[in-house]
Amino acid sequence: GESVGLHLPTLSVQEGDNSIINCAYSNSASDYFIWYKQESGKGPQFIIDIRSNMDKRQGQRVTVLLNKTVKHLSLQIAATQPGDSAVYFCAENRGTGGFKTIFGAGTRLFVKA
Amino acid sequence: EAEVAQSPRYKITEKSQAVAFWCDPISGHATLYWYRQILGQGPELLVQFQDESVVDDSQLPKDRFSAERLKGVDSTLKIQPAELGDSAMYLCASSHRKENTEAFFGQGTRLTVV
Repeated sequence: GESVGLHLPTLSVQEGDNSIINCAYSNSASDYFIWYKQESGKGPQFIIDIRSNMDKRQGQRVTVLLNKTVKHLSLQIAATQPGDSAVYFCAENRGTGGFKTIFGAGTRLFVKA
Repeated sequence: EAEVAQSPRYKITEKSQAVAFWCDPISGHATLYWYRQILGQGPELLVQFQDESVVDDSQLPKDRFSAERLKGVDSTLKIQPAELGDSAMYLCASSHRKENTEAFFGQGTRLTVV
């Protein structure tokens, strides 16, 4: 079936370094791709989204890249901080019907001080 | 800052018992979602409401799960009877409109079925 998946379950980076979290998707019909951050004991928190007709979008310290040729999505976090430690989910938002958001399994990011 | 409220935060119930979760979305948000998150996995959409109407419940196990949003504001998710495999985090989220990609999540209800 169609799914959103992640390449690595965990990522460990040094504080101050840049982080890159990758995601593969299979549904070419998705309208938007979204990144969420989930800290322990909390619900997911929206980070940034990108429309399917774009290939790059920047936010505050974060950049999302979309490569539709290979169906790959990445989240880049600049100058990673301890507060960035969390599980990161990529999700796709399909516009048919109720704009259903489908989440992938997640990547846990550890930031070493 | 407005938040999505969920209660209870934690619930322990015996299998075959009934259990209910409550969610109060951010004021003015027309779209409400219930997700189930098993430990180590991403959230799975159970049901989506637009105002008081169900938009998508294709993943809701309707033999035991029910959801309602009678006045288009707060919502209740019920499980009857609960099974051991229902142990999970149940997350409620809301968005201003169904077209919005940004959903605001509550802290969830952690259900343990024993």
